[in-house]
Amino acid sequence: AQTVTQSQPEMSVQEAETVTLSCTYDTSENNYYLFWYKQPPSRQMILVIRQEAYKQQNATENRFSVNFQKAAKSFSLKISDSQLGDTAMYFCAFMNPPNFGNEKLTFGTGTRLTIIP
Amino acid sequence: NAGVTQTPKFRVLKTGQSMTLLCAQDMNHEYMYWYRQDPGMGLRLIHYSVGEGTTAKGEVPDGYNVSRLKKQNFLLGLESAAPSQTSVYFCASSYWSSGELFFGEGSRLTVL
Repeated sequence: AQTVTQSQPEMSVQEAETVTLSCTYDTSENNYYLFWYKQPPSRQMILVIRQEAYKQQNATENRFSVNFQKAAKSFSLKISDSQLGDTAMYFCAFMNPPNFGNEKLTFGTGTRLTIIP
Repeated sequence: NAGVTQTPKFRVLKTGQSMTLLCAQDMNHEYMYWYRQDPGMGLRLIHYSVGEGTTAKGEVPDGYNVSRLKKQNFLLGLESAAPSQTSVYFCASSYWSSGELFFGEGSRLTVL
């Protein structure tokens, strides 16, 4: 079974600074998908960024980017120019490639990020 | 569009009582999921469905049952609630196995 580990339960950073959240995973698969989800204090979770394992290029979405190290099974999230609205719980997630009956995400335990004004 | 709607949002039960959580989505998604979120444990998958009339067990299915009689609805039932089922429950849906899940706002359940 796949496992996802987030070793930083809590982090805080000053507004406008850059912060990196760590995630490692364990799998024997060669092709898979990785995600970062954000859960703001209002609780509705939203997708931040997605990475496909067969793509060598790191995914980016505006101020959010990932550092995907396939050999090390590492998938960190970098938030640049952090904003107060980035305060949230962030979850790393793993998914096997599409295969009927196996389409589900495995989540890490989350990192609570606080942006300090 | 409402997206994914969960009802009720809050509920207090006594041990042994039963209840049903309703999840409704208006995006015509094939896939629907029920997760529970507990402090320090992230989200754990209870049951999921890959289409109308189908259900499958997730990581922590014991004590729960589900049904997907209509494509837009996914029901999570607790037949005999236990204090260990105190949690926040999240429903989610996706168009296909894209991994992009759309979540509801959550339902906080307390079992006394």
